[in-house]
Amino acid sequence: GAVVSQHPSRVICKSGTSVKIECRSLDFQATTMFWYRQFPKQSLMLMATSNEGSKATYEQGVEKDKFLINHASLTLSTLTVTSAHPEDSSFYICSARMLGGREPGKLFFGSGTQLSVL
Amino acid sequence: QKEVEQDPGPLSVPEGAIVSLNCTYSNSAFQYFMWYRQYSRKGPELLMYTYSSGNKEDGRFTAQVDKSSKYISLFIRDSQPSDSATYLCAITWGSNYKLTFGKGTLLTVNP
Repeated sequence: GAVVSQHPSRVICKSGTSVKIECRSLDFQATTMFWYRQFPKQSLMLMATSNEGSKATYEQGVEKDKFLINHASLTLSTLTVTSAHPEDSSFYICSARMLGGREPGKLFFGSGTQLSVL
Repeated sequence: QKEVEQDPGPLSVPEGAIVSLNCTYSNSAFQYFMWYRQYSRKGPELLMYTYSSGNKEDGRFTAQVDKSSKYISLFIRDSQPSDSATYLCAITWGSNYKLTFGKGTLLTVNP
C-alpha cells in the first residue's frame, strides 16, 4: 500500500517550452503533497508544499510563476515548469502525506522525474 | 551550521559487513527521525521511522537515536549487494511534515 505514482520518469524538452509532471497517490488520499528537486550527489531540496484545494506554499528562492503547482484533488498534484531553461534540468520528486496520518514526517515518495532541458 | 549533517561518503564494504551510517543535527526541537533509502534515479523509500531516543530494529536494520547528543544512526547487519544505495536521514518536529534531509551517504556493498 501507500504507492505514489509519478509521471513521466524522464523528459527531454527544448528551452522555452513548458513541462508538466504528475504525482498521484494510488491507494490513499493525500491531504498534502510536497515537491522537491535534487541535483546530482545532493540532497532533496523542498520547493513547495501543496494542499488540496488551496494555493501552494513556496520555499524561499523558488519562483512560483515558474514552477506552477496544482493540487486539484486528494489524489493528484501537478508541477508545471514553465519556459524551461537548461538550469532547470534536475531530478524532481513528489511526496505525499496520507489523509489522517498521525506520524509527522511520514511521507511516501514518487519515483522521480529527470528533466533535461536542451 | 547546517541543520542536519551527514557524511556523504562514499562508503564501500564487503558483503556481510556491518554498516554504520550517521547524522548529527543542531536543533533540539527535532522529534521525529527517519532513514530513507534511495536507489539511483529513484524516489526515496522509507526504511525506519523513530520518535524517541533508543533503538528500533527491523530485520537487518537498526535505527538508533541519541537526543542528548543530537546524533542518529542506522546500522545494517549482514549487508547485501542489494543494499547498495544512497541512505538519507531526515528529521522533523511537532506536527510538521516538512522534512529536513541530510546530504545522503552513498553505500556500495561488494559481493
